[in-house]
Amino acid sequence: KAGVTQTPRYLIKTRGQQVTLSCSPISGHRSVSWYQQTPGQGLQFLFEYFSETQRNKGNFPGRFSGRQFSNSRSEMNVSTLELGDSALYLCASSPSDRHNSPLHFGNGTRLTVT
Amino acid sequence: DQQVKQNSPSLSVQEGRISILNCDYTNSMFDYFLWYKKYPAEGPTFLISISSIKDKNEDGRFTVFLNKSAKHLSLHIVPSQPGDSAVYFCAASGGSGSARQLTFGSGTQLTVLP
Repeated sequence: KAGVTQTPRYLIKTRGQQVTLSCSPISGHRSVSWYQQTPGQGLQFLFEYFSETQRNKGNFPGRFSGRQFSNSRSEMNVSTLELGDSALYLCASSPSDRHNSPLHFGNGTRLTVT
Repeated sequence: DQQVKQNSPSLSVQEGRISILNCDYTNSMFDYFLWYKKYPAEGPTFLISISSIKDKNEDGRFTVFLNKSAKHLSLHIVPSQPGDSAVYFCAASGGSGSARQLTFGSGTQLTVLP
């Protein structure tokens, strides 16, 4: 079974631009979550989608948004990029949105904002 | 406010010996705990989990212990192998009725020496 696929792997953007990251979950998984990893803050929850509905959102500004499509694929968008948005963005999928359904992570998209 | 803490940034053990990684949490609403392993340039890989109704869960060389009264969990790896060298994250989720949102510790770098 193919794992979680994130594209692109690396991205360089300029302050003020916007960016869209893509995630294809494991086949059959209906829940997709997004996390941001930075050296200073560690792994932080962005949002979770299940069956195209946002189930939960972390403490991030409205510049961070996401969506999920009917095939469970998900995208996240960051508008008006800031230097502090430079991070590894990780997508994770699971069969359900229940607490005891472990998340399976992709290898992430490394975003650099200059 | 760090709700999940891994106080040891690094740990070195000899091949064949036991590795013990520790994690403390402060939020008594957490009821599901997970351990992830992360290699450089890859996403976290799910290792093992435990529900708050249990105090021990085993999977091969990996055992997780949960002490609810102390709000402490630990991951034991026996015997340790050089391929286990990675960053280990503990994560917590909960409680029932709340939307899932994993809270991660800052990670412990495990080095297994041959």
